[in-house]
Amino acid sequence: GAGVSQSPSNKVTEKGKDVELRCDPISGHTALYWYRQSLGQGLEFLIYFQGNSAPDKSGLPSDRFSAERTGGSVSTLTIQRTQQEDSAVYLCASTPRGNSYEQYFGPGTRLTVT
Amino acid sequence: DAKTTQPTSMDCAEGRAANLPCNHSTISGNEYVYWYRQIHSQGPQYIIHGLKNNETNEMASLIITEDRKSSTLILPHATLRDTAVYYCIVSSGGSNYKLTFGKGTLLTVNP
Repeated sequence: GAGVSQSPSNKVTEKGKDVELRCDPISGHTALYWYRQSLGQGLEFLIYFQGNSAPDKSGLPSDRFSAERTGGSVSTLTIQRTQQEDSAVYLCASTPRGNSYEQYFGPGTRLTVT
Repeated sequence: DAKTTQPTSMDCAEGRAANLPCNHSTISGNEYVYWYRQIHSQGPQYIIHGLKNNETNEMASLIITEDRKSSTLILPHATLRDTAVYYCIVSSGGSNYKLTFGKGTLLTVNP
């Protein structure tokens, strides 16, 4: 079946602009996660959704970052007033049941802030 | 979560079995062993997980020792596309859903 999809695959933006990154999880997966991965670095957790609610937003690095999920499916991560340090690969994952370590990742969105 | 130790790198010939070890001597009774891999420039890929019994799926087999202090991920017939960094993680799952990777093992499959 279809896996997790993310769009766009690449995004180049100027410092100070807003960007929206989209994630389509695997159909029926109730939990959704956003991570980011800087070049050569490990995963940095951003936010976790269970259905449309976000019980854990602790990883969002600043109030410029926000995310929402609608219909228990698609999620959008928004970064306002982008900074160069926001450049990274933003990864979305979903799990078949609740919160879990069995996470299925999308291909990521590579964000470059110039 | 318990700490894991993996070799930094390994090589394997194409078509042969790749056996990737992981030590987790401080694992607790309710902690699972999870394996992921990350191929260059791609998102991480879940492979398999287990508690104490050996597990097998279409990708790999997971062998956990009886004392659960170590495990081995087996790719039965490695292909060039299996070249990746492999991560062994130990967690009780549940509220510990924030996936973090250590350094992992870079497996290079050679033709």
